[in-house]
Amino acid sequence: NAGVMQNPRHLVRRRGQEARLRCSPMKGHSHVYWYRQLPEEGLKFMVYLQKENIIDESGMPKERFSAEFPKEGPSILRIQQVVRGDSAAYFCASSPASRGGNYGYTFGSGTRLTVV
Amino acid sequence: AQSVTQLDSQVPVFEEAPVELRCNYSSSVSVYLFWYVQYPNQGLQLLLKYLSGSTLVESINGFEAEFNKSQTSFHLRKPSVHISDTAEYFCAVSPFSGGYNKLIFGAGTRLAVHP
Repeated sequence: NAGVMQNPRHLVRRRGQEARLRCSPMKGHSHVYWYRQLPEEGLKFMVYLQKENIIDESGMPKERFSAEFPKEGPSILRIQQVVRGDSAAYFCASSPASRGGNYGYTFGSGTRLTVV
Repeated sequence: AQSVTQLDSQVPVFEEAPVELRCNYSSSVSVYLFWYVQYPNQGLQLLLKYLSGSTLVESINGFEAEFNKSQTSFHLRKPSVHISDTAEYFCAVSPFSGGYNKLIFGAGTRLAVHP
């Protein structure tokens, strides 16, 4: 049973380009969470999605960031017009039900975005 | 709102010595408590969790943590560390709520085990 798959593992973008980060949840998991880890900091919640629905995006920056979890395919975190401050590790987690805290999320290995 | 404070950003220790990684939290509601471990260039792995019941919880690799409600703490301990325990450790809380739970993380403690 494959875990949470994130790709790419490393992504380099020039300022102003778009970054697309993909997350395939564990089999049977329909809830996806995105977290961002800035250097020397803990993980910060960004967004929680179920299939075709954004449930909570309270941690998402108001501009340039968007997320989706379509009926088919992986969840996508998109960052438009990247800036150096977007450089971070982005982690996806999945859970089988909404009360992910009870189960402890399963995290992917992350995508490390570097903006040059 | 909830917050998590990990009191030590780095903890150096010699192999086979005991270690304690400290975690305090603040919350106006009851919370679930977690410790995650992150090895270099990897994702987070759940180490142990406290949901209810006995306040002392253990992991399969010798770590334990004790929930202290009066002190709002959830310190992580291991009586004898190995080189392979070198990693970053994150304490996290998840508030009880009617809907889903999201994790609030501390800034992490980097454990460096030296021979």
